[in-house]
Amino acid sequence: EILLTQSPGTLSLSPGESATLSCRASQSVRSNYFAWYQQKPDQAPRLLIYGASSRATGIPDRFSGSGSGTDFTLTISRLEREDFAVYYCQQYGSFMWTFGQGTKVEIK
Amino acid sequence: QVQLQESGPRLVKPSETLSLTCTVSGGSIGSSYWSWIRQPPGKGLEWIGFIYYSGSTNYNSSLKSRVTISADTSKSQFSLKLSSVTAADTAVYYCARGQWELLFSFDSWGQGTLVTVSS
Repeated sequence: EILLTQSPGTLSLSPGESATLSCRASQSVRSNYFAWYQQKPDQAPRLLIYGASSRATGIPDRFSGSGSGTDFTLTISRLEREDFAVYYCQQYGSFMWTFGQGTKVEIK
Repeated sequence: QVQLQESGPRLVKPSETLSLTCTVSGGSIGSSYWSWIRQPPGKGLEWIGFIYYSGSTNYNSSLKSRVTISADTSKSQFSLKLSSVTAADTAVYYCARGQWELLFSFDSWGQGTLVTVSS
């Protein structure tokens, strides 16, 4: 089973700043089967990025994903108030999915 | 636009079986990977298991002995049964669609339903 470790646990930033979130996998993630989600309080998660770097439908271009193998990054440029939320990474392999523990992006 | 809706009892007694159903509307249940995912209050997401429309399944190894996921394609529904529940199984339970075209990411989610395990 591939474990995902996200860092930092909490990121305190101001609107307009950029956020860099990291996710490290315990083993190489095959074929970039890797995604990022945003979750706001009392809402279901929303898919932001799939295939490590492709934006999902309707996701603004201030969200970008990069990485491969074991190290992945989500960058949010020019944070807007609606971006303050919890972000999860997720990987798939051999008919199993795992999630990271989440990074909270909070208003400073 | 596909929509998913969880339904089932919100309160389950310890040692009993938790049963939930996800109804899929606005799209076919075929050719997608239908998963159950849970989130204990204040904690992160945990994948429970999936079913493919053909009936193939796989489960999180930590829950495997207690989980069964099944599907009724004629009703566009898939279901979760989790046996011998304890307070640790209290969580918001989500159903979600995994798409191979989106490299096995979950693009559609139900709103989630809070299931509390308590006597």
